[in-house]
Amino acid sequence: DVVMTQSPLSLPVTLGQPASISCRSSQRLVHPDGNTYLSWFQQRPGQSPRRLIYKASNRDSGVPDRFSGSGSGTDFTLKISRVEAEDVGIYYCMQHTHWPWTFGQGTKVEIK
Amino acid sequence: EVQLVESGGGLVQPGGSLRLSCAASEFTFENYWMSWVRQAPGKGLEWVATIKEDGSEKYYVDSVKGRFTISRDNAKNSLFLQMNSLGAEDSAVYHCARGAGPYWGQGTPVTVSS
Repeated sequence: DVVMTQSPLSLPVTLGQPASISCRSSQRLVHPDGNTYLSWFQQRPGQSPRRLIYKASNRDSGVPDRFSGSGSGTDFTLKISRVEAEDVGIYYCMQHTHWPWTFGQGTKVEIK
Repeated sequence: EVQLVESGGGLVQPGGSLRLSCAASEFTFENYWMSWVRQAPGKGLEWVATIKEDGSEKYYVDSVKGRFTISRDNAKNSLFLQMNSLGAEDSAVYHCARGAGPYWGQGTPVTVSS
């Protein structure tokens, strides 16, 4: 199985400052069709997960442009350019290139 | 707006069975792969199973293979998860999702306890 390793697991941030979460996979995530199926999800307290980024760097509709995804191969990053209070929650990466699909452990973002 | 509404969760004894349902609306259900993802209390997300548009392919996480069955009824815009031989480790909120997750339901809780 592909192991997804996120870091850090806890991320205290100051409002208005940038934040960055790393996600590393144990296997390359390039699918035979040429796509890299790496997504980022946000889960606010008490809510269902919401996808922010798909195929490593594509922002979902309605997602603020302060969120961006980058990376390739086995190394991926989610960046928040300026953290806002509503960004508090747990962030997960997930790969769906290889079966079984697997999630990272989650990174808890909180305000300092 | 896409809607996914799960039902069927509840309290079940170890070794028991439950059948979860997910009612889909506001999109052409038969055109999409569908998935179940679970989250144990205080834990992270775990993908459980995915089914192809026509039901011809099904994939499961190893821990549920042979015990859980994903299925769908495209005429009724519905997704199902039949769960047998339940154990405490299966206690979680179960979400249905469209494919790899642009849309999720609110989830239905499953508690396995005597």
